[in-house]
Amino acid sequence: ILNVEQSPQSLHVQEGDSTNFTCSFPSSNFYALHWYRWETAKSPEALFVMTLNGDEKKKGRISATLNTKEGYSYLYIKGSQPEDSATYLCAFLDSGGSNYKLTFGKGTLLTVNP
Amino acid sequence: DAGITQSPRHKVTETGTPVTLRCHQTENHRYMYWYRQDPGHGLRLIHYSYGVKDTDKGEVSDGYSVSRSKTEDFLLTLESATSSQTSVYFCATQSGTSGYTFGSGTRLTVV
Repeated sequence: ILNVEQSPQSLHVQEGDSTNFTCSFPSSNFYALHWYRWETAKSPEALFVMTLNGDEKKKGRISATLNTKEGYSYLYIKGSQPEDSATYLCAFLDSGGSNYKLTFGKGTLLTVNP
Repeated sequence: DAGITQSPRHKVTETGTPVTLRCHQTENHRYMYWYRQDPGHGLRLIHYSYGVKDTDKGEVSDGYSVSRSKTEDFLLTLESATSSQTSVYFCATQSGTSGYTFGSGTRLTVV
């Protein structure tokens, strides 16, 4: 079983704060790293799929970076808003992983207070 | 997502009874997955399919079976439900470079 760790487990920030979370994954046999946003009572939605070392992706106020050699990815949210409150999941796909089986971390629960 | 639907959305069943959950997709995706979500565990893969009649086990497959007789449908069966199988079950499809698309989930309670 692959080990995908996310930290912190939960985070409370004030509206307007910028924040970031970490996903660590095995540094060998890397194929792809996914980020998902999961709002309460909904289903996870894909934010980013990252495949290359040094990749940086951006969607509005959310961005992510990837370091495959050391096995970590950061997700950044600039100027957090209450609607950013959600659980953010990362998921790892190894190069031996045909059939695109993702291994998910347990997530970081972000709460943005107005 | 309109392209993937799960049924039922909620179910309460008794210990020892068989239960089947259905995942239906309209996007003709090859890969389909069943995950369960439990507090403290995140999403864990139960079974997956890589084509019609092609399925394989995930990390928590004990007590579950699956079938995929046509591209659009992926069924998850609990042969004899136990209380430890009380969970929220998510189906997902793999959509190229865009990541997974998830269904809305099925909340199953085994009493």
